[in-house]
Amino acid sequence: GIQVEQSPPDLILQEGANSTLRCNFSDSVNNLQWFHQNPWGQLINLFYIPSGTKQNGRLSATTVATERYSLLYISSSQTTDSGVYFCAPHGSSNTGKLIFGQGTTLQVKP
Amino acid sequence: EAGVTQFPSHSVIEKGQTVTLRCDPISGHDNLYWYRRVMGKEIKFLLHFVKESKQDESGMPNNRFLAERTGGTYSTLKVQPAELEDSGVYFCASSPHKGDSIHRRYGYTFGSGTRLTVV
Repeated sequence: GIQVEQSPPDLILQEGANSTLRCNFSDSVNNLQWFHQNPWGQLINLFYIPSGTKQNGRLSATTVATERYSLLYISSSQTTDSGVYFCAPHGSSNTGKLIFGQGTTLQVKP
Repeated sequence: EAGVTQFPSHSVIEKGQTVTLRCDPISGHDNLYWYRRVMGKEIKFLLHFVKESKQDESGMPNNRFLAERTGGTYSTLKVQPAELEDSGVYFCASSPHKGDSIHRRYGYTFGSGTRLTVV
């Protein structure tokens, strides 16, 4: 199955800083989602991005499927951005299940 | 449109007891998935329903876990008897038929999860 590797595993930022999170995957994928698990445990869908770049406020994501990676950019970080960020490719084998990376734990300090 | 609803949001039970988690998917979504995240680890797939049929249950950890989706609407996940290592957050997700353009655009929608603590 697909192997998913996220980096860095942990990240501490000062409020206002920018950051880039990376997701590498080992096989071709039909699509990819980025999620944010907030400190209350809720899993929030951020982007559904098979290729190209999408932006939503201070967040943007880029997927280069041919090179098997995706990036999540967080600009002007806020304390509410803290939590765990997961990427989850949708496999081309069409099994339907998502394979999650181990996540990047982000802490934004005031 | 209502999202994916899970309840309870939290459950604290003693080892050996039984707990039943419920998931109401988005209306009309054929696909329903259960995932869980145990403390500090990655989110792992448990099983996948297509309507009322189990499409893939390869992620179910053992026979203490039983999932049902009678009538192809809501789903329940029962843990009996619960063990300490079952503690974690259980997520449910749904998606429409894969041929549906909505799926290609929005993918999977997750519920807010049920935080299960076994003491």
